[in-house]
Amino acid sequence: DAKTTQPTSMDCAEGRAANLPCNHSTISGNEYVYWYRQIHSQGPQYIIHGLKNNETNEMASLIITEDRKSSTLILPHATLRDTAVYYCIVRPATSGTYKYIFGTGTRLKVLA
Amino acid sequence: DGGITQSPKYLFRKEGQNVTLSCEQNLNHDAMYWYRQDPGQGLRLIYYSQIVNDFQKGDIAEGYSVSREKKESFPLTVTSAQKNPTAFYLCASSIDGTATEQFFGPGTRLTVL
Repeated sequence: DAKTTQPTSMDCAEGRAANLPCNHSTISGNEYVYWYRQIHSQGPQYIIHGLKNNETNEMASLIITEDRKSSTLILPHATLRDTAVYYCIVRPATSGTYKYIFGTGTRLKVLA
Repeated sequence: DGGITQSPKYLFRKEGQNVTLSCEQNLNHDAMYWYRQDPGQGLRLIYYSQIVNDFQKGDIAEGYSVSREKKESFPLTVTSAQKNPTAFYLCASSIDGTATEQFFGPGTRLTVL
């Protein structure tokens, strides 16, 4: 299973863009990049996922490098409610591959 | 509203007692999962089930047991054989076992005294 590397923590000013990096240099061709976040003492919440193209939804944008060895999650206008631990995960797309490997993630603190 | 419910949110048990954590979903999802989270750590997979009456061990299944008699329910029993049961337990479900998003419940914090 491909592993990911994320910074332990980051700060971001409220209203500014939060850019959270993730390295996944051993990613395989059929593995997706997923992002989840976990607000303190709650279950993780899905944010976005992608294979090789950049993706955008109402919560965030996902930028994947051309070689797919790294990606960046962008929260365009961070609010205090975005303070959470953000997990970058890679996962195969084939049936029966149930496993998410959650690392320790990046603890994002949005400052007023 | 569709979603996943876990009960109770906080649970206390004496050492040596078995305890069962509830997980119910009304999303009509085939796959369900149990994870354990320790302070400052990521999630680790305990058991998963891709379909009713079938389940598989995850990475840390020792000391735990599950059943999947109904599509909407996937209870987890923490047995007395689990050496360090105090943790935050999270249940999740997905449409199936492929690369789809997992929906998580609110979690149960188990403390063994």
